[in-house]
Amino acid sequence: GDSVTQMEGPVTLSEEAFLTINCTYTATGYPSLFWYVQYPGEGLQLLLKATKADDKGSNKGFEATYRKETTSFHLEKGSVQVSDSAVYFCALAANAGGTSYGKLTFGQGTILTVHP
Amino acid sequence: DAMVIQNPRYQVTQFGKPVTLSCSQTLNHNVMYWYQQKSSQAPKLLFHYYDKDFNNEADTPDNFQSRRPNTSFCFLDIRSPGLGDAAMYLCATSRGEGTYNEQFFGPGTRLTVL
Repeated sequence: GDSVTQMEGPVTLSEEAFLTINCTYTATGYPSLFWYVQYPGEGLQLLLKATKADDKGSNKGFEATYRKETTSFHLEKGSVQVSDSAVYFCALAANAGGTSYGKLTFGQGTILTVHP
Repeated sequence: DAMVIQNPRYQVTQFGKPVTLSCSQTLNHNVMYWYQQKSSQAPKLLFHYYDKDFNNEADTPDNFQSRRPNTSFCFLDIRSPGLGDAAMYLCATSRGEGTYNEQFFGPGTRLTVL
């Protein structure tokens, strides 16, 4: 079945450091890929998405590129801020049974803490 | 602002006492989802509605039911909560079922079972 694997956390960085959170997936067909962020006490918010191979999603300084050859969608940010502290989930939505279906399969989440 | 609203934000119930969680949306989206998220785990889809069509995930326990009386509202009913049902319950909506459709999440209801 479909699955998403994220690098284990927690990740602790100093402000302005470079961030990478690795994400790899297993799916049949051509899934869409997403990064969601969950701030403390809140629901999930879509951070960025890519719907086909080689697409780059970007938002708020975060980027991720859909790499079909390596089945990866790694999240990067050049300079993190304290306000980026949150849980980050990689997710995919794959076709099921030949029909278009938006079910999300999530990775286990990565806790990011950024210190001043 | 258009949004997904969940009530209550915190719910305490007793073992075996039925409980209902509420979700409403002002986005006029066709699809509404219910997820269960246990501590430090990924959200797990329980079921979803496409308009009035109900779609249950194969591994969702019978203890969990849902109702969608109209486009705006969707309810999660837990008939006999057990200690293992304590979790955050997330409601989400999307315009359609396509894989490219973004899902918009509510803030969640944290359920405690005593």
